[in-house]
Amino acid sequence: GENVEQHPSTLSVQEGDSAVIKCTYSDSASNYFPWYKQELGKRPQLIIDIRSNVGEKKDQRIAVTLNKTAKHFSLHITETQPEDSAVYFCAASRGGGGTASKLTFGTGTRLQVTL
Amino acid sequence: KAGVTQTPRYLIKTRGQQVTLSCSPISGHRSVSWYQQTPGQGLQFLFEYFSETQRNKGNFPGRFSGRQFSNSRSEMNVSTLELGDSALYLCASSLNGLTGELFFGEGSRLTVL
Repeated sequence: GENVEQHPSTLSVQEGDSAVIKCTYSDSASNYFPWYKQELGKRPQLIIDIRSNVGEKKDQRIAVTLNKTAKHFSLHITETQPEDSAVYFCAASRGGGGTASKLTFGTGTRLQVTL
Repeated sequence: KAGVTQTPRYLIKTRGQQVTLSCSPISGHRSVSWYQQTPGQGLQFLFEYFSETQRNKGNFPGRFSGRQFSNSRSEMNVSTLELGDSALYLCASSLNGLTGELFFGEGSRLTVL
């Protein structure tokens, strides 16, 4: 089955700096890669996603890149703010065919943005 | 539009008991997935239901089961509870489960004593 590795497990940055979280996946058939943000005691919330026919996607301060050949995808947060502090999860699934909801998650990255 | 609603939010059970958790998806969403979240294992897929049928299943023992009703509401049941079943159980809904965009509920936190 799919295996998703995520690094680093913890990340501390100063406000205004950039943060990068990296994930690798094992299943070459995976074609949907979402990122979720989970604040303490809250539900995971989708912040950005990318499909395998796209190499990069950006939404304001957040961007995701995908390298299908290397089976890598990364989350980039620029101009970090204290409210970005949370646990971030990457995930992968085979979209379509009724398997898209079967996400395999990475182990999470705890991001702390300090003043 | 109301989000995904899960009940109960917190519950405590003892070993050997069984538990039923409920999930109401976003209106119009027909796919409901269940995930278990623990500090040690992270987020793990349990199963997905679409149109009252289990469409996908994760690697959990048969003690974990679920169902979906005609209004898309879903329940999951865990029988013969073990200490290791203590976790946050998250329900996620999707329009049709084909695009992968999942909307999670706040979860049901189960503690097994």
